[in-house]
Amino acid sequence: QKEVEQNSGPLSVPEGAIASLNCTYSDRGSQSFFWYRQYSGKSPELIMSIYSNGDKEDGRFTAQLNKASQYVSLLIRDSQPSDSATYLCAVNTPGFGANNLFFGTGTRLTVIP
Amino acid sequence: GAVVSQHPSRVICKSGTSVKIECRSLDFQATTMFWYRQFPKQSLMLMATSNEGSKATYEQGVEKDKFLINHASLTLSTLTVTSAHPEDSSFYICSAGWTGTSSRPSYNEQFFGPGTRLTVL
Repeated sequence: QKEVEQNSGPLSVPEGAIASLNCTYSDRGSQSFFWYRQYSGKSPELIMSIYSNGDKEDGRFTAQLNKASQYVSLLIRDSQPSDSATYLCAVNTPGFGANNLFFGTGTRLTVIP
Repeated sequence: GAVVSQHPSRVICKSGTSVKIECRSLDFQATTMFWYRQFPKQSLMLMATSNEGSKATYEQGVEKDKFLINHASLTLSTLTVTSAHPEDSSFYICSAGWTGTSSRPSYNEQFFGPGTRLTVL
């Protein structure tokens, strides 16, 4: 069983602040990393993918990957109440199927107006 | 691009009946489709993985005779919950993955359908 761990939260931040979500994974051979957002009662929505060490920015979202330390993080700048959701970290490891993902249990984020 | 549809979105049925859920990738050919189940306030649980034209691979503890998966084409997979019981009530979500070379979807991303909420009375 490949482990992907996230702090379940809840993480509360005030509107306009930076929300920082962290994820660690156990398999050093993992190569693809994803962040999904899931609103209550809805299915997950892919918001970021990252494959190389370093930062990847998309709008207010920045994904950070450090393979040596086996962690991936998601920063949300200028947090909005609409960002309140559960954020799932997912990892793909070669040898377990090209599309197979191992999911963390998610971190629940609440942005306080 | 990368849209996955799921039908029906909600179903209520009596105990003992069978329910079929369809999952379609609308604008790309899905190499692999996945079926997940999610109980309230719990994390996603992978039930099975299916590739077009081959038998599904079920996760440990998932009864393959109860949850029948058919992956007839690169754009359609179905999950049939046979002889459903109240404990099968859950949120069933499919996802589709693609491993091609064009820019979107990117290699080995999974895209989720909107989910089907099943209630068995």
